[in-house]
Amino acid sequence: DAGITQSPRHKVTETGTPVTLRCHQTENHRYMYWYRQDPGHGLRLIHYSYGVKDTDKGEVSDGYSVSRSKTEDFLLTLESATSSQTSVYFCATSGDPDTQYFGPGTRLTVL
Amino acid sequence: KNEVEQSPQNLTAQEGEFITINCSYSVGISALHWLQQHPGGGIVSLFMLSSGKKKHGRLIATINIQEKHSSLHITASHPRDSAVYICAVSGSQGNLIFGKGTKLSVKP
Repeated sequence: DAGITQSPRHKVTETGTPVTLRCHQTENHRYMYWYRQDPGHGLRLIHYSYGVKDTDKGEVSDGYSVSRSKTEDFLLTLESATSSQTSVYFCATSGDPDTQYFGPGTRLTVL
Repeated sequence: KNEVEQSPQNLTAQEGEFITINCSYSVGISALHWLQQHPGGGIVSLFMLSSGKKKHGRLIATINIQEKHSSLHITASHPRDSAVYICAVSGSQGNLIFGKGTKLSVKP
């Protein structure tokens, strides 16, 4: 299995506060992705990165920003958390555009 | 209409039964993936295929590119196979486009 960690694994925060989730990989994979998983929707792409400082928006990017200053770290930031951003967030990485490896997930609750 | 549709949404089987989960997609793809999500939440890739058939242990995945359809089969099902099985296709951005998953419960 690819070495992918996410931190924190669980977080409870209040509406309006900023939140940053971290994805760290030890595989030197070029591609990294942030997905959210919600009941009735399956997994949906928030943002992705195809290299250091190269990022782009996904299907549900509103309210989220990302940064990738080095290959191993991909940060997801909620500038001002809302209750609709309560979800489970998964990071994934890929050494090529097809085969993806998933992190363990972060459960975020926004009160 | 979702780009990736799975059926059934929920499936209950008795131990030992042969199980089939179906996936249809409406977009052009470079590859189709089957993933397994355990009750604890972790997601594991089972198969990636672009044509034909792949087998790993008791799991078999097939794809028909012309019909835009794939199936995941589990032979001699076991309670430890209980999980959510997710079909996904590779999107133009290199991301995956996911179906909503099939929740499988295998009873002893």
